[in-house]
Amino acid sequence: KAGVTQTPRYLIKTRGQQVTLSCSPISGHRSVSWYQQTPGQGLQFLFEYFSETQRNKGNFPGRFSGRQFSNSRSEMNVSTLELGDSALYLCASSTGTSGVGSDTQYFGPGTRLTVL
Amino acid sequence: AQSVTQLGSHVSVSEGALVLLRCNYSSSVPPYLFWYVQYPNQGLQLLLKYTSAATLVKGINGFEAEFKKSETSFHLTKPSAHMSDAAEYFCAVSEAQGDKIIFGKGTRLHILP
Repeated sequence: KAGVTQTPRYLIKTRGQQVTLSCSPISGHRSVSWYQQTPGQGLQFLFEYFSETQRNKGNFPGRFSGRQFSNSRSEMNVSTLELGDSALYLCASSTGTSGVGSDTQYFGPGTRLTVL
Repeated sequence: AQSVTQLGSHVSVSEGALVLLRCNYSSSVPPYLFWYVQYPNQGLQLLLKYTSAATLVKGINGFEAEFKKSETSFHLTKPSAHMSDAAEYFCAVSEAQGDKIIFGKGTRLHILP
C-alpha cells in the first residue's frame, strides 16, 4: 500500500503571497489531518478533515484553511504569508473511525515552506 | 487541559547501552499515549500506542513504554541502542476517543559509537 504523499516537498515564497499544499492519504483512509512543525513551537495541530468536512480545528488564524475532496485528497492553503509561517507542514491520514485522539495516524514526509 | 513534557531535548547514549526517553503527561481523563519517531527529512512514524489495555506496551524496532498512572509517566525504553535509532522522538497525549492530540517538544536521540 502506498503511503501518504505530500506535494511539493519544498517551497519558497515571499511575505504576502499565498500557498497551497497537497496531501494524498493512504488508500481507504477518510481522515486527513494537518500539522505545523517549527523549532520553537514544536508540532501543532491545524485541522482535521473527514468525509469532506472539517471535523476539528486547532488554534490557528483564519489565514490557514483547508479542504478535502471526494477522493479524500486534501489541500491546505495559507494566505498572506508571514515570516513566522516558515515551517514543516505535515499531513497525516487515518481511517477516521474515532478521531485524531485515538486513531493511528500515518504521516507524510512533509512540505518544507520557507517564507522570505 | 492536557499537556505533555519530555525531559531533555537531547539525549546521548552509547551504542549497545540502554535508551531511556522520559515523558510525563497531564490529563483530567484517562489518556491515550503515543510515541512517534521522526528521522531526518521524514514524517513521523508511530512507535507504539497506549489505549488503556496493558500498561507495558511493546512497539516496533525493540522499543517499549510503560504507563504509570501514579507517576503520570510514559517513558520509552530500548535495552540496547543501535546507530539506526538516532532520530527525534515525540511523546503525545490525547483524551480517549477525543478530538485533540498534544505533542511534546521532542527529544533528539544521539547514538555514540
